[in-house]
Order: sequence, then structure tokens, then C-alpha cells
Amino acid sequence: DADVTQTPRNRITKTGKRIMLECSQTKGHDRMYWYRQDPGLGLRLIYYSFDVKDINKGEISDGYSVSRQAQAKFSLSLESAIPNQTALYFCATSGGGTQETQYFGPGTRLLVL
Amino acid sequence: ILNVEQSPQSLHVQEGDSTNFTCSFPSSNFYALHWYRWETAKSPEALFVMTLNGDEKKKGRISATLNTKEGYSYLYIKGSQPEDSATYLCASRNFGNEKLTFGTGTRLTIIP
Repeated sequence: DADVTQTPRNRITKTGKRIMLECSQTKGHDRMYWYRQDPGLGLRLIYYSFDVKDINKGEISDGYSVSRQAQAKFSLSLESAIPNQTALYFCATSGGGTQETQYFGPGTRLLVL
Repeated sequence: ILNVEQSPQSLHVQEGDSTNFTCSFPSSNFYALHWYRWETAKSPEALFVMTLNGDEKKKGRISATLNTKEGYSYLYIKGSQPEDSATYLCASRNFGNEKLTFGTGTRLTIIP
């Protein structure tokens, strides 16, 4: 079984709809991240959390919110989806420390019409 | 350099040939440099995390070097195979910043 899972894997929605992307991990990591990837751009950080009570904005948090329901779960919400939020979304986890490798989920491809 | 930059953007290499590509990153307050391999329709997968100037890491036919003073890292692939086709991402992290800044990647295609 995958260590980091994301649901749904693909989603089509309409402008103005609320949508939630979910991420679960079985690695026991405290740190979780949400990124978006657009063609021609690097992975950009939306939000990150270092434990259940910790939420931090990344470089492109406008239009998004997150919830860290438990150590293993980190959800990303688009309160009112807009077409320029069409992208590939990745969740990642890490255990911290000097090496701090991030482990990525399979991604959610979102299309906002 | 304010951002992480990778070159070239894309590369086609004949099977069996060796290749390399570059990641440039801000050298001030450097903390760590990460390399990831991202195959289409899969998750990005960690290759190396490097922290020390002059560091060299190797995993099979893939190796990486790090120059923190001038702010660059090279990734080398020896004897390319079709399964090496992927996008290779680098990301840097600075002291006092818990976040990674990613480059846009080098898309490598191995021609059989």
C-alpha cells in the first residue's frame, strides 16, 4: 500500500463550487504539505503543517484553506473554485531533521470549468 | 540567483549515452539541496539530499555533486536507459526557512 494517498485522483468541477482534496499518510510523519504544479512552473507550496495544531501559509495560499484533522490527515479546500486553480495538486510528508526528504502522494488532477 | 533554476528544460539522449544537467540555487544561507525523480503519472521520488560543499552522492548509475559556494549542483546519469526517462526536479532550502523551493525541472527522454 502507498504511504501517501490522495483522493480523488481526478476531479472536474465548475467555477464557484467548493471542493476538498484529501491526503492521508501512514509514515507517521508530523510534517505535511500541499503543493500545486502548473506546466512550466516548479512545485509551489500552498500550505504546510508541522503538527496537528500548526498551519502555515505557503507562497500561494490565496483562495485555499486547509485542515489538519489528525497527524495522518491533511485536507486542502477550494472554497469557491476558479478556472486558474486548474492544476495538479500534490500532498507530501516529511519527518523533519537535516535530511528531511519529502514523500509525495500520487497527485490530484483538478479541472475547474 | 533568487530562484532555483534548472537547465536544460528538456533533453533527448540516446540509450547508452551519459548525460548531466544543472541546478542553480541561492548560495547565501544555504541549508540543503534535494533531487527528485518524477515519472509521468507517478509521485516525485527522492534521489538525494545534499548539505555539504563538495558532497557527492551516488545511487546506481545516477550521481550528484554539490557546490554551495557558487550555488550549483550537477546530476549525472551514466549509460542512460529507457527507464531513466523522467523529469528531474531539484529543490533548495535555506537556513531559517522550513520550506523547499523547487526548480521547474529537466525533462529527460531516452531514445532507444
